Order: sequence, then C-alpha cells, then structure tokens
Amino acid sequence: ELKVEQNPLFLSMQEGKNYTIYCNYSTTSDRLYWYRQDPGKSLESLFVLLSNGAVKQEGRLMASLDTKARLSTLHITAAVHDLSATYFCAVGSYGGATNKLIFGTGTLLAVQP
Amino acid sequence: NAGVTQTPKFQVLKTGQSMTLQCAQDMNHNSMYWYRQDPGMGLRLIYYSASEGTTDKGEVPNGYNVSRLNKREFSLRLESAAPSQTSVYFCASSDYRGLNSPLHFGNGTRLTVT
Repeated sequence: ELKVEQNPLFLSMQEGKNYTIYCNYSTTSDRLYWYRQDPGKSLESLFVLLSNGAVKQEGRLMASLDTKARLSTLHITAAVHDLSATYFCAVGSYGGATNKLIFGTGTLLAVQP
Repeated sequence: NAGVTQTPKFQVLKTGQSMTLQCAQDMNHNSMYWYRQDPGMGLRLIYYSASEGTTDKGEVPNGYNVSRLNKREFSLRLESAAPSQTSVYFCASSDYRGLNSPLHFGNGTRLTVT
C-alpha cells in the first residue's frame, strides 16, 4: 500500500530565508506532483516530476525527485510572504487507466515579514 | 472555461440525512475523482472513475456511493450522513491521454454533519 509522508507539517519562516520541504513515499512510483493550497481555496498544480533526477523550477520554488530514495524535495529560496500556503506532494499509484494520486498530509508554510 | 464545478459550496446535514454532491467538468477529461480533506490528514481518495461507466473504490469508500452519470458528471452520495463525514470534499478530473497529467480540482464542498 502506497503511503506518502511529508515533513515538516508546519514551517514558520522569515522572509529572505531558505528552507526545504521533504516528501517520502513507500512504494515504487514514477510520477510525483506538488500542489499549493491557499486557505479556503482549491488546489493548484505547481510541478509534475516524471523521472529520476527530474528538477523543475518556478520563481522561488524548486522541486526535485529521487525515485531510488523515494524522496522528493521542494526548496524555497529567499521566501516572501506571498508563498504562505499549504503545500502538498502527491504520488501516482500504479494500476488502472487513471492518474490516481495519494497525497501527503501537507506542509503549512507561514512566511513572516 | 469553468474547469471543474462543484455544487453546493456549503451544506449542513443532520445525522442520518442523505445528500448528493454534484461535480461537472468541461475539459473533456476521461477520469474523475472524489477526495475528502481533513485537518492534518491531507487529501484522501474516496472513489474514482477511469471513464464513463466505471467506478472504483479509493482509500476511504465506506459510507459513500458514486455515479458517473456521463463523461462530464461524477456525483458523490451520502446515504446516511454521520458526524465523521464532516469534511471538505473535492472533485477532480484528469486527461486519460496523458496518464501523468496533473489533477484539476474544483473549489470544494464544505459539509458539516451535526
């Protein structure tokens, strides 16, 4: 059974600082996703990582995937207040003709001015 | 282009009442999903549908039923609501032609069962 763990669950950062969110998963998968959720809102897709060693960057966020270690990271560079949100990783589960995703518990990021 | 539309946005039920959550997508996607979101637990998959006419159980299907009415619509029914079903429910869809394509989510239905 696929399980996905994220840490930390809560992260309070100062503006300008760097930090990393970690996402571990328990069984083989070749696709991992990062989503952002603002309070009371829906989920927005940030990154799609489809192969070992994949790295994607958008602004101050960079995501990477190590399928051998079953680990993905979301690195935040020089945080700004606008990045405050909850970030989820989700891992694709094999089987069936669907992109069934199992989500981590989420990391609540609060960037303090 | 509306994307994924969920109705209602909010609902309060009493224990034992029934209701159906509606979801429709206009992106011509084959696959649709229902998730619930609870504090500290992320999103958990309730049911999904690979294509019109097929449905399968996800991680937490007990207490729910689904209907894939056509390619556009996927409804979630609570036959006898319980307080443990208080949650935010999200519907999502994805394009089968790209198995790796991300899920597109609706805005959610906030359900309270008293």
